[in-house]
Amino acid sequence: GESVGLHLPTLSVQEGDNSIINCAYSNSASDYFIWYKQESGKGPQFIIDIRSNMDKRQGQRVTVLLNKTVKHLSLQIAATQPGDSAVYFCAEISGGSYIPTFGRGTSLIVHP
Amino acid sequence: DAGITQSPRHKVTETGTPVTLRCHQTENHRYMYWYRQDPGHGLRLIHYSYGVKDTDKGEVSDGYSVSRSKTEDFLLTLESATSSQTSVYFCAISEEGFSYNSPLHFGNGTRLTVT
Repeated sequence: GESVGLHLPTLSVQEGDNSIINCAYSNSASDYFIWYKQESGKGPQFIIDIRSNMDKRQGQRVTVLLNKTVKHLSLQIAATQPGDSAVYFCAEISGGSYIPTFGRGTSLIVHP
Repeated sequence: DAGITQSPRHKVTETGTPVTLRCHQTENHRYMYWYRQDPGHGLRLIHYSYGVKDTDKGEVSDGYSVSRSKTEDFLLTLESATSSQTSVYFCAISEEGFSYNSPLHFGNGTRLTVT
C-alpha cells in the first residue's frame, strides 16, 4: 500500500489479492474516522468507520486499522475484485466539530 | 443509496453568469453540505447548513452563497461564475452533523464547466 499525502497515489493489484490502502492524519484529537469509496462519475460512498477507542474494525471483506501512536489509518480489502476499483479516501473528525477533514485519496486499480 | 438528488448533473456556463445548483434530500436530515472536488485538492467544504435558514461558511466560500428555505432543499449559487469555479460539486447530508452513527452521505455530483 501507499500513503495518502499531497498526491493521489495509485495502487495496482491483481484480482484475488489483498489490498492495503493507507491514510496519515494530522490531528491527534481526531476521534472518529471513515473510509469512503468513490467510483468514477459518482459521489463518495461510506464503507466503514472506526472510533478512536478502537484499534480494529471489520466489515464484509474490509478491515480498518487505527494506530493512534503514529496517527495512521489503513483499509484492508480482502480478495480484491474488479468492482473494488475506485478512489478510496479517509475522513477524520475531532469531538465537538461537525466538519470532517478529508484525505486526498488513493486510486485502486484491480486487474482481472 | 441515501435519497440525495443533485441537479443539474452537468452544466456549462459562461464567465460572469449566475449559476444555481440544487440539492434535494428525502431523508429529513438536519445537516446539509456543499463540497467541491478538484484534482490535487480532494473535497473542500464550501458551505453547510445545520437547519432551515441556518448556514455557515466553509474553507472555500468566497464567490458562493447558499440558501435553505426547506429541510429538503439546499441551493448553491455562484453569483458570477469564474473559470476557477470549474469543478465537480457534491452535496452531502448527515442526520446530526458528522459524528459517530451520523456519517456524511453524498449525492452523485454536478460537473460544472465555466468557459
